[in-house]
Amino acid sequence: AQTVTQSQPEMSVQEAETVTLSCTYDTSESNYYLFWYKQPPSRQMILVIRQEAYKQQNATENRFSVNFQKAAKSFSLKISDSQLGDTAMYFCAFTSNTGNQFYFGTGTSLTVIP
Amino acid sequence: EPEVTQTPSHQVTQMGQEVILRCVPISNHLYFYWYRQILGQKVEFLVSFYNNEISEKSEIFDDQFSVERPDGSNFTLKIRSTKLEDSAMYFCASSVRGVKETQYFGPGTRLLVL
Repeated sequence: AQTVTQSQPEMSVQEAETVTLSCTYDTSESNYYLFWYKQPPSRQMILVIRQEAYKQQNATENRFSVNFQKAAKSFSLKISDSQLGDTAMYFCAFTSNTGNQFYFGTGTSLTVIP
Repeated sequence: EPEVTQTPSHQVTQMGQEVILRCVPISNHLYFYWYRQILGQKVEFLVSFYNNEISEKSEIFDDQFSVERPDGSNFTLKIRSTKLEDSAMYFCASSVRGVKETQYFGPGTRLLVL
Protein backbone atom coordinates (compact mmCIF):
# COMPACT_ATOMS: atom_id res chain seq x y z
CA ALA A 1 0.00 0.00 0.00
CA GLN A 2 1.08 3.53 -0.69
CA THR A 3 1.34 6.02 2.16
CA VAL A 4 2.40 9.64 2.33
CA THR A 5 3.56 11.26 5.55
CA GLN A 6 3.91 14.93 6.32
CA SER A 7 5.33 15.23 9.81
CA GLN A 8 4.98 19.01 10.20
CA PRO A 9 1.36 20.00 10.81
CA GLU A 10 2.22 23.69 11.07
CA MET A 11 5.14 25.87 10.11
CA SER A 12 5.87 29.55 9.92
CA VAL A 13 8.48 31.60 8.12
CA GLN A 14 9.44 35.24 7.93
CA GLU A 15 8.71 36.98 4.69
CA ALA A 16 11.66 36.73 2.27
CA GLU A 17 13.15 33.79 4.14
CA THR A 18 13.42 30.19 2.98
CA VAL A 19 11.39 27.30 4.36
CA THR A 20 11.43 23.56 3.70
CA LEU A 21 8.41 21.32 4.05
CA SER A 22 9.00 17.61 4.56
CA CYS A 23 7.29 14.67 2.92
CA THR A 24 8.09 10.99 2.99
CA TYR A 25 6.29 8.20 1.23
CA ASP A 26 6.25 4.46 1.11
CA THR A 27 5.79 2.37 -1.98
CA SER A 28 7.04 -0.76 -3.64
CA GLU A 29 6.57 0.75 -7.08
CA SER A 30 9.61 1.73 -9.10
CA ASN A 31 7.95 4.31 -11.30
CA TYR A 32 5.71 6.94 -9.84
CA TYR A 33 4.96 10.63 -9.64
CA LEU A 34 5.07 13.06 -6.75
CA PHE A 35 3.30 16.37 -6.39
CA TRP A 36 3.06 19.31 -4.07
CA TYR A 37 -0.29 21.07 -4.00
CA LYS A 38 -1.08 24.37 -2.32
CA GLN A 39 -4.47 25.19 -0.85
CA PRO A 40 -4.85 28.85 0.17
CA PRO A 41 -7.54 29.62 2.75
CA SER A 42 -10.98 29.03 1.26
CA ARG A 43 -9.50 28.38 -2.15
CA GLN A 44 -9.01 25.32 -4.26
CA MET A 45 -5.90 23.21 -4.42
CA ILE A 46 -3.46 24.20 -7.11
CA LEU A 47 -0.39 22.41 -8.31
CA VAL A 48 2.91 23.78 -7.08
CA ILE A 49 5.36 21.29 -8.52
CA ARG A 50 5.53 17.80 -10.01
CA GLN A 51 8.36 15.27 -9.99
CA GLU A 52 8.69 12.12 -12.05
CA ALA A 53 10.50 9.42 -10.09
CA TYR A 54 12.59 8.24 -13.01
CA LYS A 55 14.08 11.71 -13.41
CA GLN A 56 17.08 12.25 -11.20
CA GLN A 57 17.01 16.00 -11.59
CA ASN A 58 15.03 17.83 -8.94
CA ALA A 59 12.07 19.77 -10.28
CA THR A 60 12.03 23.54 -9.89
CA GLU A 61 9.33 26.10 -10.52
CA ASN A 62 10.42 29.68 -9.90
CA ARG A 63 10.79 30.04 -6.11
CA PHE A 64 9.72 26.45 -5.48
CA SER A 65 12.07 23.50 -5.69
CA VAL A 66 12.12 19.96 -4.42
CA ASN A 67 14.76 17.73 -2.90
CA PHE A 68 13.83 14.30 -4.21
CA GLN A 69 15.73 11.48 -2.55
CA LYS A 70 14.42 8.30 -4.13
CA ALA A 71 16.38 5.87 -1.98
CA ALA A 72 15.21 7.59 1.17
CA LYS A 73 11.67 8.01 -0.25
CA SER A 74 11.77 11.66 0.63
CA PHE A 75 10.28 14.56 -1.31
CA SER A 76 10.72 17.90 0.44
CA LEU A 77 9.57 21.27 -0.87
CA LYS A 78 11.74 24.35 -0.54
CA ILE A 79 10.17 27.77 -0.84
CA SER A 80 12.67 30.55 -1.36
CA ASP A 81 12.02 34.26 -0.77
CA SER A 82 8.72 33.48 0.97
CA GLN A 83 5.85 35.81 0.18
CA LEU A 84 2.65 36.54 2.08
CA GLY A 85 0.70 34.82 -0.69
CA ASP A 86 2.50 31.58 0.09
CA THR A 87 0.40 31.27 3.25
CA ALA A 88 -1.58 28.09 2.64
CA MET A 89 -1.97 24.43 3.41
CA TYR A 90 0.54 22.38 1.45
CA PHE A 91 -0.21 18.79 0.51
CA CYS A 92 2.26 16.23 -0.72
CA ALA A 93 0.76 13.63 -3.05
CA PHE A 94 1.88 10.40 -4.68
CA THR A 95 0.60 8.40 -7.61
CA SER A 96 2.01 5.29 -9.17
CA ASN A 97 2.44 4.65 -12.84
CA THR A 98 -0.13 1.87 -12.69
CA GLY A 99 -2.78 3.28 -10.39
CA ASN A 100 -5.56 5.77 -10.87
CA GLN A 101 -5.59 7.72 -7.66
CA PHE A 102 -3.59 10.20 -5.67
CA TYR A 103 -2.48 9.45 -2.14
CA PHE A 104 -2.23 12.58 -0.04
CA GLY A 105 -0.40 13.47 3.12
CA THR A 106 -2.18 15.21 5.98
CA GLY A 107 -0.85 18.58 4.97
CA THR A 108 1.38 21.28 6.42
CA SER A 109 -0.13 24.63 7.27
CA LEU A 110 2.40 27.31 6.36
CA THR A 111 2.12 30.87 7.61
CA VAL A 112 4.32 33.59 6.17
CA ILE A 113 4.88 36.31 8.75
CA PRO A 114 5.32 39.89 7.55
CA GLU B 1 -7.36 30.02 -17.19
CA PRO B 2 -9.98 27.25 -17.15
CA GLU B 3 -11.01 26.00 -13.72
CA VAL B 4 -12.94 23.13 -12.24
CA THR B 5 -16.11 24.42 -10.63
CA GLN B 6 -18.30 22.80 -8.00
CA THR B 7 -21.79 23.46 -6.71
CA PRO B 8 -23.02 24.00 -4.14
CA SER B 9 -20.19 25.37 -2.04
CA HIS B 10 -22.01 24.29 1.12
CA GLN B 11 -24.74 21.72 1.67
CA VAL B 12 -26.54 20.88 4.88
CA THR B 13 -28.73 17.80 4.91
CA GLN B 14 -30.50 15.49 7.30
CA MET B 15 -29.20 12.00 7.90
CA GLY B 16 -30.78 9.54 5.49
CA GLN B 17 -31.39 12.11 2.77
CA GLU B 18 -29.91 11.91 -0.70
CA VAL B 19 -27.48 14.57 -1.89
CA ILE B 20 -26.02 15.29 -5.29
CA LEU B 21 -22.78 17.18 -5.56
CA ARG B 22 -22.03 18.74 -8.92
CA CYS B 23 -18.82 19.44 -10.71
CA VAL B 24 -17.96 20.93 -14.06
CA PRO B 25 -14.51 19.69 -15.10
CA ILE B 26 -12.23 21.53 -17.46
CA SER B 27 -13.69 21.09 -20.92
CA ASN B 28 -10.93 19.16 -22.70
CA HIS B 29 -10.21 16.87 -19.76
CA LEU B 30 -11.07 13.20 -20.03
CA TYR B 31 -10.46 11.85 -16.53
CA PHE B 32 -12.53 12.83 -13.52
CA TYR B 33 -12.13 12.19 -9.82
CA TRP B 34 -13.84 12.66 -6.50
CA TYR B 35 -11.99 13.03 -3.21
CA ARG B 36 -13.15 13.82 0.27
CA GLN B 37 -11.51 15.39 3.29
CA ILE B 38 -13.00 14.89 6.72
CA LEU B 39 -12.15 17.83 8.94
CA GLY B 40 -8.63 17.55 10.25
CA GLN B 41 -7.84 14.45 8.20
CA LYS B 42 -6.08 13.79 4.94
CA VAL B 43 -7.61 14.05 1.50
CA GLU B 44 -8.91 10.60 0.52
CA PHE B 45 -9.58 9.22 -2.93
CA LEU B 46 -13.12 8.09 -3.66
CA VAL B 47 -13.38 7.31 -7.36
CA SER B 48 -11.97 7.91 -10.81
CA PHE B 49 -14.04 8.01 -13.97
CA TYR B 50 -13.09 7.71 -17.62
CA ASN B 51 -15.00 7.02 -20.79
CA ASN B 52 -18.30 6.98 -18.94
CA GLU B 53 -17.34 4.34 -16.47
CA ILE B 54 -15.60 4.01 -13.13
CA SER B 55 -11.93 3.14 -13.60
CA GLU B 56 -11.03 2.81 -9.94
CA LYS B 57 -12.73 3.22 -6.60
CA SER B 58 -11.65 3.09 -3.00
CA GLU B 59 -13.11 1.15 -0.10
CA ILE B 60 -14.94 4.30 0.95
CA PHE B 61 -16.92 4.31 -2.27
CA ASP B 62 -19.55 1.78 -1.29
CA ASP B 63 -23.04 1.17 -2.65
CA GLN B 64 -24.42 4.40 -1.25
CA PHE B 65 -22.18 6.37 -3.62
CA SER B 66 -22.58 6.73 -7.35
CA VAL B 67 -21.12 8.94 -10.05
CA GLU B 68 -22.48 10.07 -13.34
CA ARG B 69 -21.65 12.29 -16.27
CA PRO B 70 -25.17 13.02 -17.38
CA ASP B 71 -24.69 15.57 -20.11
CA GLY B 72 -21.07 15.69 -21.24
CA SER B 73 -20.19 18.63 -19.04
CA ASN B 74 -21.33 17.91 -15.50
CA PHE B 75 -19.83 15.21 -13.31
CA THR B 76 -21.92 14.34 -10.27
CA LEU B 77 -21.45 12.46 -7.03
CA LYS B 78 -24.61 11.11 -5.45
CA ILE B 79 -24.82 9.92 -1.88
CA ARG B 80 -28.04 7.95 -1.56
CA SER B 81 -28.65 7.87 2.16
CA THR B 82 -26.31 10.19 4.00
CA LYS B 83 -24.76 9.30 7.32
CA LEU B 84 -23.24 11.56 9.93
CA GLU B 85 -19.78 10.35 8.98
CA ASP B 86 -20.27 11.56 5.40
CA SER B 87 -19.77 15.11 6.67
CA ALA B 88 -16.66 16.29 4.87
CA MET B 89 -15.32 18.51 2.14
CA TYR B 90 -15.76 16.85 -1.23
CA PHE B 91 -13.35 17.77 -4.02
CA CYS B 92 -13.78 17.11 -7.70
CA ALA B 93 -10.73 16.96 -9.95
CA SER B 94 -10.03 16.43 -13.62
CA SER B 95 -7.04 15.73 -15.80
CA VAL B 96 -6.34 15.66 -19.50
CA ARG B 97 -5.06 12.13 -19.49
CA GLY B 98 -4.52 9.61 -16.73
CA VAL B 99 -3.48 10.13 -13.19
CA LYS B 100 0.18 10.63 -14.07
CA GLU B 101 -0.86 14.00 -15.33
CA THR B 102 -1.59 16.91 -13.08
CA GLN B 103 -5.04 16.87 -11.57
CA TYR B 104 -6.89 20.16 -11.39
CA PHE B 105 -9.07 20.50 -8.34
CA GLY B 106 -12.31 22.33 -7.75
CA PRO B 107 -12.93 24.50 -4.69
CA GLY B 108 -14.89 21.78 -2.94
CA THR B 109 -18.35 21.29 -1.47
CA ARG B 110 -18.60 21.28 2.27
CA LEU B 111 -21.24 18.74 3.23
CA LEU B 112 -22.71 18.70 6.71
CA VAL B 113 -25.00 15.84 7.68
CA LEU B 114 -27.17 16.46 10.74
